[in-house]
Amino acid sequence: DADVTQTPRNRITKTGKRIMLECSQTKGHDRMYWYRQDPGLGLRLIYYSFDVKDINKGEISDGYSVSRQAQAKFSLSLESAIPNQTALYFCATSDFGTDGYTFGSGTRLTVV
Amino acid sequence: AQTVTQSQPEMSVQEAETVTLSCTYDTSESDYYLFWYKQPPSRQMILVIRQEAYKQQNATENRFSVNFQKAAKSFSLKISDSQLGDAAMYFCAYYSGGSNYKLTFGKGTLLTVNP
Repeated sequence: DADVTQTPRNRITKTGKRIMLECSQTKGHDRMYWYRQDPGLGLRLIYYSFDVKDINKGEISDGYSVSRQAQAKFSLSLESAIPNQTALYFCATSDFGTDGYTFGSGTRLTVV
Repeated sequence: AQTVTQSQPEMSVQEAETVTLSCTYDTSESDYYLFWYKQPPSRQMILVIRQEAYKQQNATENRFSVNFQKAAKSFSLKISDSQLGDAAMYFCAYYSGGSNYKLTFGKGTLLTVNP
């Protein structure tokens, strides 16, 4: 099994719908992250969590919310999806981060 | 806030040749870490190489090496003997306490390898 598992792999949803992207990890790390990738913009941080009780906004958190259900699980929600949230979403986990992050395989979300 | 700049949106190289991807960053920190990630068409993010800022020696991983110039805040990736499987998007990333212990990414360089 992959160290970081994201579901679904691909999703098409309609404007205004609520959608949840799920992430689970088997690395035993406390730190988890959600990034968004857009062409020409690289990866931008949406939310991050350093432990179950610690959740922080990243640089582009508007329109998103997260839930850290357990050390291993970190989900990202779009309360009311809009077309400019069409992107590739990555979940990642790390120990302290000095060794880099381990990423999931991404969720490609299309909002129509 | 720390910023990471990759000035080459696209690069191409002939198979078996050498290519260098550029990355510069802005920081006032003295202790930090730099990374290169590879994203092939499968879209998986793969860690290629890591450099600790307090180490003078440039990191090397097989055909991948870096030229780390701390004073110039430059961190370029050299790929030797390029292979078709090296074709991917490459991201430079920065990590430190000053970035609140989060990875900050550049916008990426798309590398094409021509047979």
